Amino acid sequence: AQSVTQLGSHVSVSEGALVLLRCNYSSSVPPYLFWYVQYPNQGLQLLLKYTSAATLVKGINDFEAEFKKSETSFHLTKPSAHMSDAAEYFCAVSDYAVDKVIFGPGTSLSVIP
Amino acid sequence: DAGVIQSPRHEVTEMGQEVTLRCKPISGHNSLFWYRQTMMRGLELLIYFNNNVPIDDSGMPEDRFSAKMPNASFSTLKIQPSEPRDSAVYFCASSWGGSNTEAFFGQGTRLTVV
Repeated sequence: AQSVTQLGSHVSVSEGALVLLRCNYSSSVPPYLFWYVQYPNQGLQLLLKYTSAATLVKGINDFEAEFKKSETSFHLTKPSAHMSDAAEYFCAVSDYAVDKVIFGPGTSLSVIP
Repeated sequence: DAGVIQSPRHEVTEMGQEVTLRCKPISGHNSLFWYRQTMMRGLELLIYFNNNVPIDDSGMPEDRFSAKMPNASFSTLKIQPSEPRDSAVYFCASSWGGSNTEAFFGQGTRLTVV
């Protein structure tokens, strides 16, 4: 069965510092992996998506994520945090075997000036 | 396109009342999802429609919840009777190709049952 874990329900970084949000997944077949962002009182928006074309995926707002099969990980990074990055971030997994997307519990990112 | 449109944005109702949440997906999308978000349980998939047909309703909590999609441009989620534990933010999302493609979310309906 598919599952997603996100280490750290809350992460704080200083403005300009590296952002690292962790995601590990389990899937019995090659997965599709997603990172979504949710700003306060908004719906989720797609940041980036892995579909096996390339292990390093670039998304919007300078975010990127690397798919590591051996570690079953899909961590999200951004070189320099901006105040506007403060939001909730969700990792999600789906695959062809089960037409269903499973979301992780989310990580709340705070950016300290 | 205006994106996924949900109404109402906020709903406050008394326990036992019927509540209907509405969703208009993005034109051309063939998949529609209803999610519920709470602090305790996170984001839960309630039901998934593909080409207006319910594909997976295993997340619907109980018989008090029902969802319909009479056509490609409209869906409803109904709770009857409502209970305080149904208080949550309900999101509708749509995509052009099932669960493996990008889902576009509406802004959600914040439901409070008192």
